[in-house]
Amino acid sequence: DTEVTQTPKHLVMGMTNKKSLKCEQHMGHRAMYWYKQKAKKPPELMFVYSYEKLSINESVPSRFSPECPNSSLLNLHLHALQPEDSALYLCASSQGLAGLSYEQYFGPGTRLTVT
Amino acid sequence: KQEVTQIPAALSVPEGENLVLNCSFTDSAIYNLQWFRQDPGKGLTSLLLIQSSQREQTSGRLNASLDKSSGRSTLYIAASQPGDSATYLCAVPGNTGKLIFGQGTTLQVKP
Repeated sequence: DTEVTQTPKHLVMGMTNKKSLKCEQHMGHRAMYWYKQKAKKPPELMFVYSYEKLSINESVPSRFSPECPNSSLLNLHLHALQPEDSALYLCASSQGLAGLSYEQYFGPGTRLTVT
Repeated sequence: KQEVTQIPAALSVPEGENLVLNCSFTDSAIYNLQWFRQDPGKGLTSLLLIQSSQREQTSGRLNASLDKSSGRSTLYIAASQPGDSATYLCAVPGNTGKLIFGQGTTLQVKP
């Protein structure tokens, strides 16, 4: 099973709301990633978790807060977002960090709209 | 600093044609190169992963080659079908675990 699941598929939230995105994988992968993708652009890395510890934060604003409760789950908590944060949010996982030649598997994404 | 470029940005071909998508990278010291497919509004589907020690990988009608010395990879699609219409992305890993993507090639296969 090479599946990464993400919920919800779509999310509309106001600028004062708090919401969370969820990602799950059952492949035994130890690295998990959050990417943000704007229309007609490639994905941009936001965070990397390795063995449930945050290893990379690509200077993401604090209104995005990642959490890795266990090796299968990755959350992204959202608070006080701006309309420019509207995008497709993608989760991915790999056996280890991408730099060690492991293949990354992506989920279907959450389409986020901030009003 | 690694940079990845894909040419062309868009491609339109009639059904049945064989085609080649190009990917180039500036730093040849890569561990691997991955090709993805993305349908509009969807996630990325991994098509092929070529390790640095490999020259090519095949999956069905897809064949990806890698020439590290020249910093190039090609994705060959044989006998294209309308269902192949999508955006194709190539990516190489940076040294911090980050995937560095090209801008993608948007393919349209016309019936």
